[in-house]
Amino acid sequence: DAKTTQPTSMDCAEGRAANLPCNHSTISGNEYVYWYRQIHSQGPQYIIHGLKNNETNEMASLIITEDRKSSTLILPHATLRDTAVYYCIVRVRNDYKLSFGAGTTVTVRA
Amino acid sequence: EAGVTQFPSHSVIEKGQTVTLRCDPISGHDNLYWYRRVMGKEIKFLLHFVKESKQDESGMPNNRFLAERTGGTYSTLKVQPAELEDSGVYFCASRQSGRGTYNEQFFGPGTRLTVL
Repeated sequence: DAKTTQPTSMDCAEGRAANLPCNHSTISGNEYVYWYRQIHSQGPQYIIHGLKNNETNEMASLIITEDRKSSTLILPHATLRDTAVYYCIVRVRNDYKLSFGAGTTVTVRA
Repeated sequence: EAGVTQFPSHSVIEKGQTVTLRCDPISGHDNLYWYRRVMGKEIKFLLHFVKESKQDESGMPNNRFLAERTGGTYSTLKVQPAELEDSGVYFCASRQSGRGTYNEQFFGPGTRLTVL
């Protein structure tokens, strides 16, 4: 059963920020928000995760709303190589198996 | 450092035959996961090894699938006999025990299985 809702697809201009929304209205206190992406013909790749605070790493930023019912993944300067399917996943603490939904197909255009 | 590797990259077999997929995790990773995406569906969890022990095999579809991880190193996933609905991409992932970014799952490129 899907615990997250994401738009099916979105386009982004190269060099601009890409903001990917995710709804997880039924998230519980012991569940993390994870983001993975899958570039064509490759395996899924970990991007970032958070519990309740905003997080940033070399790939992206994750903004989680105060009520934790939604989040946004931000790719600050999208490149053509960021074209991929992006998955927002809710994972229970101490249970590392991942439940992938349909994800958002992001196409970065020159 | 080498990533997760999977062999073969692509396998084409006939219905009723047997196929064995192999996964070599990142060295030192105790945790090994199998996932698969069958045609038109989402990526689904199959099972999880901790070293050589099966920690969670709740996603294994039926008894035609047998996963092993002898010695806690590489793992094999055998499908016997293969059916048409087994066609898809099988992913392996490994994870180092503990906390932190480097304790997340690293995925291999997958094995594309086609059953004719």
